[in-house]
Amino acid sequence: DADVTQTPRNRITKTGKRIMLECSQTKGHDRMYWYRQDPGLGLRLIYYSFDVKDINKGEISDGYSVSRQAQAKFSLSLESAIPNQTALYFCATGRAGGVDEQFFGPGTRLTVL
Amino acid sequence: GESVGLHLPTLSVQEGDNSIINCAYSNSASDYFIWYKQESGKGPQFIIDIRSNMDKRQGQRVTVLLNKTVKHLSLQIAATQPGDSAVYFCAENGDSSYKLIFGSGTRLLVRP
Repeated sequence: DADVTQTPRNRITKTGKRIMLECSQTKGHDRMYWYRQDPGLGLRLIYYSFDVKDINKGEISDGYSVSRQAQAKFSLSLESAIPNQTALYFCATGRAGGVDEQFFGPGTRLTVL
Repeated sequence: GESVGLHLPTLSVQEGDNSIINCAYSNSASDYFIWYKQESGKGPQFIIDIRSNMDKRQGQRVTVLLNKTVKHLSLQIAATQPGDSAVYFCAENGDSSYKLIFGSGTRLLVRP
């Protein structure tokens, strides 16, 4: 079984709809991250969390919100989706302590029409 | 398959040759660097990392070189195979102990 899973894998929605992307991990890591990937721009950090009830904004948090429901679960919401939020979204986990490798899920392709 | 970068720099190599992928990083405070491989339709996968107290680190068929003087990182892949075809990302930590800053990636194409 995959260590970091994301659902759904693909989603097409319309402008103005609320969308939730979910991430679960079995690695036992404290840190969880949400990234967005656009063509030619690499990965950009949306939100991150060090523990349940700890939520921090990344570089592109506007238009997004997150919830850390448990150590193993971190969900990303688009309150009112817009077309320029069409992208690949990745969840990642990391060990507590200093900077280290992050472990990525398979991604969610979101299309906003 | 999905494209993760429509206008990425591309390196094309012959199967069996060595590949060198370069990365210029931006923050002099960075002390941790990492290379990821991303195949079409998948999330990034760890390849190798290096900390700033080293200038070279080797893994299985891969070597990372770090030149702090010119803020340059490179990934060398020996005896490149078709399965190495992917997009490769470098990342640095900047002045953070928990965040990574990703480059825009390089596409590696391996010719049979």
